[in-house]
Amino acid sequence: GENVEQHPSTLSVQEGDSAVIKCTYSDSASNYFPWYKQELGKRPQLIIDIRSNVGEKKDQRIAVTLNKTAKHFSLHITETQPEDSAVYFCAGSGGSNYKLTFGKGTLLTVNP
Amino acid sequence: GAVVSQHPSWVICKSGTSVKIECRSLDFQATTMFWYRQFPKQSLMLMATSNEGSKATYEQGVEKDKFLINHASLTLSTLTVTSAHPEDSSFYICSARDPGGGSFYEQYFGPGTRLTVT
Repeated sequence: GENVEQHPSTLSVQEGDSAVIKCTYSDSASNYFPWYKQELGKRPQLIIDIRSNVGEKKDQRIAVTLNKTAKHFSLHITETQPEDSAVYFCAGSGGSNYKLTFGKGTLLTVNP
Repeated sequence: GAVVSQHPSWVICKSGTSVKIECRSLDFQATTMFWYRQFPKQSLMLMATSNEGSKATYEQGVEKDKFLINHASLTLSTLTVTSAHPEDSSFYICSARDPGGGSFYEQYFGPGTRLTVT
């Protein structure tokens, strides 16, 4: 089955700096890679996703890059704000069952 | 659109009793729903895939006789934790795909149910 590794587990940045979170996956059949933001006690919130036929996708301050050959994808947040502080999860999905396999998460802290 | 609800949002039960959690897709039909469990400060772990009108598919290590899943309609899946024990205390989250929606792969998550077994 799919295995998704995520790094770092914690990340602390100053407000205005950029934050980068990286994930690798094992199943070459995976073709959908979403990123979620989760605040304490709440549901995961999709912030951006990318399909395997695309190398990069951007939505305002958030971007995701995908390298299919190396089987890794990254989340980039620019101009970070304190409200970006949360746990971020990457995930991978492929095959006919559409199951999501999550990374272990990254606790992002943006210091004012 | 694409809203998923869960009920209850939190529940406390005594050890040995059973608890049922409902997951509903409010504005779309979901042929497939997923059930996850999340322990504090950990990731979401898929427990099972729930398919409307058929038996659920459980992930390795998940006891199907303990976690009963019923997907009797296109908008409702239920998870029953039988003979609950304190180690079953966790955050249970469901999700659903909307195959008729704009994003074929996206899963829409419910708000979660906090289960505490005393």
